[in-house]
This record gives sequence, structure tokens and C-alpha cells, in this order.
Amino acid sequence: SQQGEEDPQALSIQEGENATMNCSYKTSINNLQWYRQNSGRGLVHLILIRSNEREKHSGRLRVTLDTSKKSSSLLITASRAADTASYFCATHSGTYKYIFGTGTRLKVLA
Amino acid sequence: DVKVTQSSRYLVKRTGEKVFLECVQDMDHENMFWYRQDPGLGLRLIYFSYDVKMKEKGDIPEGYSVSREKKERFSLILESASTNQTSMYLCASSLFARSGTGGAYEQYFGPGTRLTVT
Repeated sequence: SQQGEEDPQALSIQEGENATMNCSYKTSINNLQWYRQNSGRGLVHLILIRSNEREKHSGRLRVTLDTSKKSSSLLITASRAADTASYFCATHSGTYKYIFGTGTRLKVLA
Repeated sequence: DVKVTQSSRYLVKRTGEKVFLECVQDMDHENMFWYRQDPGLGLRLIYFSYDVKMKEKGDIPEGYSVSREKKERFSLILESASTNQTSMYLCASSLFARSGTGGAYEQYFGPGTRLTVT
């Protein structure tokens, strides 16, 4: 089955820097979503971008979607220690299924 | 705020036991999901339900069954627990996306149950 793949698998940055993570997927989609997971907890929805959108903002988050390249990126600006978490992309393509990637582990150093 | 609760945060069971994991959501969502999460494998869908008494198999249903007798409650059952079912189990719910709404809604997750089978 299709699977989103995040890149990089792990990222370590200093507080205040920007963090960028990427997601690639294999088939056409209706929308793509990004989730955050703090260590050992459930996932929290961050942002949803539909297939006819190219860019979306929410607070310090900026998501882009390039359907021709089947890829998306999540940018977190002015990162904080509290942003330390794993980030997952999930694609939805017209069925009930959401396909999750394997995640990017972000560590923000104070 | 949507709240999804799971019956246990941590659970230790013996091989061969029947295990019940319960999930309850309080926002009248039609869709409910059970995933397992393993390092390096991401989230994998076990079962999905879009209505009371309705269920669909996900990618890895073997060794599991589900029950949805009430809209707010979705149970995952391990018929005979095995050590390879040691994992983090995550329940989620979402609204049902009608056709023409542009796709699925976001999922709301419970805190997870870390199950260890010895």
C-alpha cells in the first residue's frame, strides 16, 4: 500500500531556528495532514491541506503541497523546546484510509 | 474539544490471554479507527468502523477483532495475545466526510495503550 515517507528521519536544531521536514507519497490524494506526537502519547492534528491548495499557514507552521512531485513540506519557524516531538504526515485518497508515514523526530535544543 | 479516551495507558498480559482495549469518543463522530504503532513502521491500520456494528479490515487485521455496539465506543480484541502483538495501540475518531466535501476530516487520537505481551 502507499506510504508517506518523511525526511529526514531525525532532526536536531537550536531553539529559535527553523525546522523543515518533508513528506513524499506515492498515489494521488484528496488531502494531506500533518500530526505531532509527543513522546509516548497520542497524535495531535496540526494542519490539513487539500489537493487543490499549494500552501497553508497556521501560526508558526507553514505547509506546502506539490502534487506534481507528490511531496509536502512542513516548516516550523522560530522553534521552541516544546516543539520537540515526532511529526507525521498522513495522506487521504478517497477511501476511509489515512496512510501515515514513519515520522520525523525533531529535537529542539534550548 | 474532542476527547478520545482509552481504557488503559499501560497493560501487561500473558501469551494466550484474551485482551480487550476500549476506546470512547465524546464528539458523536461516525468514524473510529484502531492503529498499532511500532518503531520504524509508523502507524498501521488494524480496523476501521464508520457506523455502529459496521467494520472494515485495515492493513493488519490478523489476530484482532473489533466491536462497535454504540456510536461512541470502539473496542479492539486480541483473541489470543502473542508476543508479536506487543505494541502501542492508538484509537482515533473523525467525522465522516460526505462526498463533495473535499476529502476526509482530521483524526482525533486517544493517548494510546502500551501493551506488553509476555
